[in-house]
Amino acid sequence: EVQLVESGGGLIQPGGSLRLSCAASGFTFSSFAMSWVRQAPGRGLEWVSSIRAPGDKSYYADSVKGRFTLSKDNSKNTLYLQMNFLRAEDTAVYYCAKANSGFYVDYWGLGALVTVSS
Amino acid sequence: EIVMTQSPATLSVSPGERVTLSCRASQSVSSNLAWYQQKPGQAPRLLIYGASSRATGFPARFSGSGSGTEFTLTISSLQSEDFAVYYCQQYESWPLTFGGGTTVEIK
Repeated sequence: EVQLVESGGGLIQPGGSLRLSCAASGFTFSSFAMSWVRQAPGRGLEWVSSIRAPGDKSYYADSVKGRFTLSKDNSKNTLYLQMNFLRAEDTAVYYCAKANSGFYVDYWGLGALVTVSS
Repeated sequence: EIVMTQSPATLSVSPGERVTLSCRASQSVSSNLAWYQQKPGQAPRLLIYGASSRATGFPARFSGSGSGTEFTLTISSLQSEDFAVYYCQQYESWPLTFGGGTTVEIK
């Protein structure tokens, strides 16, 4: 059974940093691309970032480019999202997502809430 | 960036009715289109991929169609458990983009 468990969310002040982690199990982590998708309170889904299976290339939404860094540790079956210079508009539930061929999401984590507020 | 537009924003439907949701892309995405279902307080679930392939766990009353810029999600006979928000997403090109969602609510 595929499981994706996010951790690291919480309340952070504007301008601060936070690192989200996603522990993956139930599939061969090194063989699949991964993504983060976020959802602001009462809003729709927004793609944040994706990383190729080997972890050698990442892609970012313009809204987070230069502030967020996505990495993948295939030896630990863990995905990381380093978020710097956080803004109020980054407040959202962040979902860890397993990508299938073509980067659609076939499995989702339960989400981690990030609240950016003073 | 490819903009995905879903219509209508909200659909009020009675159980047993046939439902058609629309998703339009601002440029061709070929068949690189997925649909997700999200219920309140839950993570989304993959419903359709490749525009028309149904994901594991969803019954045959759900079907997807279309290619290029026009896509449709059809629920042949709406059941109580189908009331949810439905999102489309293109994965033809970066950045990946989602539609704004269609809420299917009880009439």
